[in-house]
Amino acid sequence: DAGITQSPRHKVTETGTPVTLRCHQTENHRYMYWYRQDPGHGLRLIHYSYGVKDTDKGEVSDGYSVSRSKTEDFLLTLESATSSQTSVYFCAISAGTGTFTEAFFGQGTRLTVV
Amino acid sequence: AQSVTQPDIHITVSEGASLELRCNYSYGATPYLFWYVQSPGQGLQLLLKYFSGDTLVQGIKGFEAEFKRSQSSFNLRKPSVHWSDAAEYFCAVNSGAGSYQLTFGKGTKLSVIP
Repeated sequence: DAGITQSPRHKVTETGTPVTLRCHQTENHRYMYWYRQDPGHGLRLIHYSYGVKDTDKGEVSDGYSVSRSKTEDFLLTLESATSSQTSVYFCAISAGTGTFTEAFFGQGTRLTVV
Repeated sequence: AQSVTQPDIHITVSEGASLELRCNYSYGATPYLFWYVQSPGQGLQLLLKYFSGDTLVQGIKGFEAEFKRSQSSFNLRKPSVHWSDAAEYFCAVNSGAGSYQLTFGKGTKLSVIP
C-alpha cells in the first residue's frame, strides 16, 4: 500500500465549528489531492496541491481551504462546518514526474457534522 | 469539461457468472482511463489503466477492460465473478496533456449472489 495516512479516521463535529483533516505521505510525491465521496456522486475533487505552498481549487471547493507547508503533509480545513459537509474524505497522491500515471488513495476520513 | 458516465448504479450477478461494467467518457482527445475498486470502508485500489497501444488491458484480480474509441467507452470485464469481487467500482479519466487531475464516474455497486 502507498504510504498515505489520514487522520482522524472518524470525526463527529458540531455545525459551525472548524475542522482540520490531515493527510500525511511517505512517498515524496509531488501531487496531493482531497476528494469527497457522497452516495450518488462518486468522488469529487475539492482541492489539490502541486508542490509546497502551491494549491488550486477543484470542482467542489466552496467552504474548504487547504495548506501544504511540507511535501509530506496536506491539510484540509472546514472553516465553519455545515451539515452538507458530512461526507467521507479521501486524500490521494500522485508522483508528478512528467506524465500522470495513477493516483494512490488513503483509507478515508468519515466526517459527520451534527 | 471532461465527464465520465457509469450508467449502472447497481448490478447483481451470481458467483461464477461473467461481468461487464460500463463506462463512457466525454472528451475530445483520447484520455487516460482507469478503473478503481473500493471495498466497504476502504480506500480505492487501482485495477487497471489505459494510456495508449493495445486496446485490451489486463489488470489485477482477473479483470480486463477494453478501450473503444468509436464508442468513447472503457468497459470493465471479468469472465467469472467471485464473491470477494463484491465492491464498488469507479471509472476515472485523466485528460493527459500535462493534467494531473482525475475525474470520476459515480460508481457501480456490484453485489454477488453465492
